[in-house]
This record gives sequence, structure tokens and C-alpha cells, in this order.
Amino acid sequence: GAVVSQHPSRVICKSGTSVKIECRSLDFQATTMFWYRQFPKQSLMLMATSNEGSKATYEQGVEKDKFLINHASLTLSTLTVTSAHPEDSSFYICSASQGQGLYGYTFGSGTRLTVV
Amino acid sequence: AQSVTQLGSHVSVSEGALVLLRCNYSSSVPPYLFWYVQYPNQGLQLLLKYTTGATLVKGINGFEAEFKKSETSFHLTKPSAHMSDAAEYFCAVSDPPRLSFGAGTTVTVRA
Repeated sequence: GAVVSQHPSRVICKSGTSVKIECRSLDFQATTMFWYRQFPKQSLMLMATSNEGSKATYEQGVEKDKFLINHASLTLSTLTVTSAHPEDSSFYICSASQGQGLYGYTFGSGTRLTVV
Repeated sequence: AQSVTQLGSHVSVSEGALVLLRCNYSSSVPPYLFWYVQYPNQGLQLLLKYTTGATLVKGINGFEAEFKKSETSFHLTKPSAHMSDAAEYFCAVSDPPRLSFGAGTTVTVRA
């Protein structure tokens, strides 16, 4: 079945630094990738949707300059948290899909970001 | 826009008992519906999905769900709960190109 690899699984960084999270579809070409943020005991909050080769579409209230998303190929998307602050600490999950969801959505294993 | 509502944020069952998780959807078009499971500090794993065809969908780990258009429901069931079923469960509806998630239901299993 479809596999999405997300890396790193855990990262601790200092306030003011930037962190990059990678999301790769290993055995399929992902026409669309999604980035979610999940707070403890809550559902997934969609941050942005990205299509290969085009700019990401951000959800209302998500800072584009803080959460930089690049989708340079059909198998790789990256999320960079710039100038991280403790309030950016969270669980970030990526997802990839083909064909507007007809073939389903495959999720990465998530990244636990802690900003100290 | 499509949306889902999960009834009950927390369900507690005894090992061996029926697991029933409720999900109702709202969609202006024929929906694609999904159930995912999430274990602590992990991503989401697909349990099953409905796109078209047979309304009773069988998934992994003994779970199944039935699409009922007249009731706009897609409830998830498992006849006999196992300790390993303790997790967070999310119902979702395709809202192209994205997924819209329910708030989630936490399942605990009592020995």
C-alpha cells in the first residue's frame, strides 16, 4: 500500500531557530500534500494544501511567513517552521493524496516539535 | 463544504464487547468517507473507506462500517474489542481536495 515517510519524528530546537520537516511519498506520486497541526487531545487542524510546483494554499489564520511549505516534486514536500517560538511546539502531520481523494489519503507518522 | 460529526468524545468498553463509534456527515455531493485510527505520538492509519459500491465496508483489525445515506451516517463497529483497540479514532469526509475531520473519539478498553 501507499506509504508516506515523515522525518524527523521528534525534534527539539531553540527559540529563534528554524526547523525543517520532510514528507515523502515512497511508492506513489502525490498530486497534493497537506500539512496538519494537532494539539493535545484535539483533532487535526489543516494548515495548508500544496500541489507540486505551485504555491501552497494556507488556511485562514496560518502565517505563511512562519510556516514555509515547499512542494518541489511529486514525492516530496517540506514544512519549515521559521523563527520558532515555544508556542509553535506541537505535533505536525503530513498527508498525501492522489486523484482528489479517490485513492485515499496517506498520512506520515508525525513530527513532535518542541521549542525551548 | 462537507463536514462530519462524531457523537461521543470518549467511549469505554470491556474487552470482548462491541465497539460502536458514531459518525454523521454533511455533504452536498456523494461523499467519500473514511475512518482513521491514531495511536499516541503517531500519524493516522486508515481503517477503512467508502467511495462507491457496497455500503458495508470491511476494514483492517476486524472493523467495519456501514454507509447509510438516509441517515447520513457512517458508524464504525467491531464485534469484540481487544486491548490493542485503545486509541483515538477519527471519522473524515472528503472535501476535495482536502479531508474534513471529526473531533475524534477516544476509545478505552477495560480488562
